[in-house]
Amino acid sequence: EAGVVQSPRYKIIEKKQPVAFWCNPISGHNTLYWYRQNLGQGPELLIRYENEEAVDDSQLPKDRFSAERLKGVDSTLKIQPAELGDSAVYLCASSLESTGGPYEQYFGPGTRLTVT
Amino acid sequence: AQSVSQHNHHVILSEAASLELGCNYSYGGTVNLFWYVQYPGQHLQLLLKYFSGDPLVKGIKGFEAEFIKSKFSFNLRKPSVQWSDTAEYFCAVNALISPDSNYQLIWGAGTKLIIKP
Repeated sequence: EAGVVQSPRYKIIEKKQPVAFWCNPISGHNTLYWYRQNLGQGPELLIRYENEEAVDDSQLPKDRFSAERLKGVDSTLKIQPAELGDSAVYLCASSLESTGGPYEQYFGPGTRLTVT
Repeated sequence: AQSVSQHNHHVILSEAASLELGCNYSYGGTVNLFWYVQYPGQHLQLLLKYFSGDPLVKGIKGFEAEFIKSKFSFNLRKPSVQWSDTAEYFCAVNALISPDSNYQLIWGAGTKLIIKP
């Protein structure tokens, strides 16, 4: 079984530039998560999708961050414009969830973003 | 706000030493508990999980954890560590914040474990 795929693995951009990250979840997983992980900290949830619907985006800085999950499979997370403080590892995770919970999340390798 | 505390940010041990990493959480309702591990250069992987039943949970690679509800704790243990256990370990708590909400996964800050050969 293929795992969660993310690209790119590394990205270096100048501040004020846009950047996008892509995630392909495990086949059949209906729930997809984007996390941000700063150095020395645990992951922080940015957005959670159930199929195509964003069910929890309360932690997403909506002035510069956007995300989409077309057709309930792949997802893209975008930052425009990037700021120095956005430097972090962006993680995608997926799970197969239905009514009742709880569920195990499977993580991709992450994209390490450096904003200069 | 709900939180997960991992007491040690860095732990250094010699091979064959016993390991215990602490994890405490603040939420008093229904919880499900996880330990994830991140080996150098690799992605987060599930080490073990507790959903219900026997509070002593066994995971991969000889790890185990004990859920003590009265202490709000889920400490990770291994009787004899190996050099290959060098990694960062994260405790996470999946809490049902309210009956109408979804489960939310709350993470600790992680513990970096270094095993000296």
